[in-house]
Amino acid sequence: GAVVSQHPSWVICKSGTSVKIECRSLDFQATTMFWYRQFPKQSLMLMATSNEGSKATYEQGVEKDKFLINHASLTLSTLTVTSAHPEDSSFYICSARRPGQRPPYSGNTIYFGEGSWLTVV
Amino acid sequence: KQEVTQIPAALSVPEGENLVLNCSFTDSAIYNLQWFRQDPGKGLTSLLLIQSSQREQTSGRLNASLDKSSGRSTLYIAASQPGDSATYLCAVFLINAGGTSYGKLTFGQGTILTVHP
Repeated sequence: GAVVSQHPSWVICKSGTSVKIECRSLDFQATTMFWYRQFPKQSLMLMATSNEGSKATYEQGVEKDKFLINHASLTLSTLTVTSAHPEDSSFYICSARRPGQRPPYSGNTIYFGEGSWLTVV
Repeated sequence: KQEVTQIPAALSVPEGENLVLNCSFTDSAIYNLQWFRQDPGKGLTSLLLIQSSQREQTSGRLNASLDKSSGRSTLYIAASQPGDSATYLCAVFLINAGGTSYGKLTFGQGTILTVHP
C-alpha cells in the first residue's frame, strides 16, 4: 500500500481562489518532503524542498508567495496555491524522504504520493 | 546544472518486441538513478533504482543499466506487452556536498511507449 498519501487527487477551482494540497507520510517520519510540478506533456520539475519546522527552500523561478509550503509536522506537508489562475493548472506531486532505519542510519528512500491534478477555471 | 534527456520522445512497437529506452545526464556526479512509469492521469510507479556503485538492476522483464562515466542509462524491456504502454521517466538523484543525497530528483522529459496488440 501507499506509504505517502496525497490529497486531493483532483481539484477544480475558480480563478482567484486558493487551493491546498496535502502530502502525508503514513508510517514514517519525513523531515524532508519535495514538491514537483508537471505541465502537460512535460517532465516533472522540482518546485521546492519542504523541511519540517523551518522554511521551505524554493527552486529558482518558483514564487514562494504564490506557492506556500508548510511542513508543520513530521508527517504532513501542505502546498497552497494562492490566488490561482488558469496557468497554474498542472499536476502536482510530492515525495517524502524516509531516512535509513538501521545503523549506520545512512541512505534514504524516496516515496512519491499519487499526485494531484489542479484545474483552474 | 544537471540536465536529463530521454530518447526517443515516443516509441510505438508491436507486441512481443524487445526495446531500449535511453537516458542521458550531463553531470556524472549523481547519487542514484531511478526509472519510473507514469500512466495517463496517474502518479509515478517506481520500476528500478540503480545505486551509483551499481551497473545494472533487473526486475522481471525490465533491466536497467548505468554508466556514470558516460552519463548514460538504458532501460531494456523484454517481450513487450500492451500493458507496458505508459510514459517512462528517468530521474537522477542530486548529490550533496557530503556525498550523499537529500532526495532531490532531476527528471527527464519521458518516453511515451505504445505497444500494439
